[in-house]
Amino acid sequence: AQKVTQAQTEISVVEKEDVTLDCVYETRDTTYYLFWYKQPPSGELVFLIRRNSFDEQNEISGRYSWNFQKSTSSFNFTITASQVVDSAVYFCALKSSGNTPLVFGKGTRLSVIA
Amino acid sequence: GAGVSQTPSNKVTEKGKYVELRCDPISGHTALYWYRQSLGQGPEFLIYFQGTGAADDSGLPNDRFFAVRPEGSVSTLKIQRTERGDSAVYLCASSLGQGPDTQYFGPGTRLTVL
Repeated sequence: AQKVTQAQTEISVVEKEDVTLDCVYETRDTTYYLFWYKQPPSGELVFLIRRNSFDEQNEISGRYSWNFQKSTSSFNFTITASQVVDSAVYFCALKSSGNTPLVFGKGTRLSVIA
Repeated sequence: GAGVSQTPSNKVTEKGKYVELRCDPISGHTALYWYRQSLGQGPEFLIYFQGTGAADDSGLPNDRFFAVRPEGSVSTLKIQRTERGDSAVYLCASSLGQGPDTQYFGPGTRLTVL
C-alpha cells in the first residue's frame, strides 16, 4: 500500500526565516509521481510541483525548492525567506502512473509571523 | 481559463436528508476525481471517472454514496440518508487523463450534517 508521512503537524517561523517541510513516502511502484499542494485559509488546494520517480534532480522556483531523494524516500520542500503569505497547510502527495488517485499526507500547517 | 468549480460552497442539512454536490471540471479534462477532507486531515479518495464511467469507486465509504457523470463533464456526488459523520469538505479535481496527470482542485463544498 502507498503511504505519505508528514511528521511535522505545525511549524511556526518568523518572517524571512527559511523553513523545510518534510515528506516521506512508501510505495512498491517503480514509476510514481510526487506532488506538493498548498491549501491557504480559503481552502482551495493549489498545485505547486510534480516530480517523476525517475528524475531526482532538485528543483528551484523562486523562493521554493524541492529535494527529492529516492534513497531515503523523501521529497522535502524548502521555503527561503518566508513571507506571511506563505502561511497555509502544505500537503505532500503520491500517485502511481496512469489515472490513479492521489494519496495525501496529513499536511503541515505553516504559520509565518511578521 | 476557468478552473474547477463546485457548488454549493456550503451545505447544511439535517441527519437523514439527501444531498447533491456538483463539480464542473476544467474544460477538456477527461478525468474527474472526488475526495473528502475531514478537519485536520489530508484529502481521501472517494471515486474517479474517466469520461462517463466510474473507473474506480473503491474509496466510497458505503452504499449511501453515489456519483454520476452522465455526459463526461459535470459530475454530481449524491449522499443518501446523511449522517453526522459525513460532515467534511468534499473536493473535486480534474486532469487531462493522460501522462503524469496532474490533478487540479476546486474550492470544495463544506457539508455540515446537523
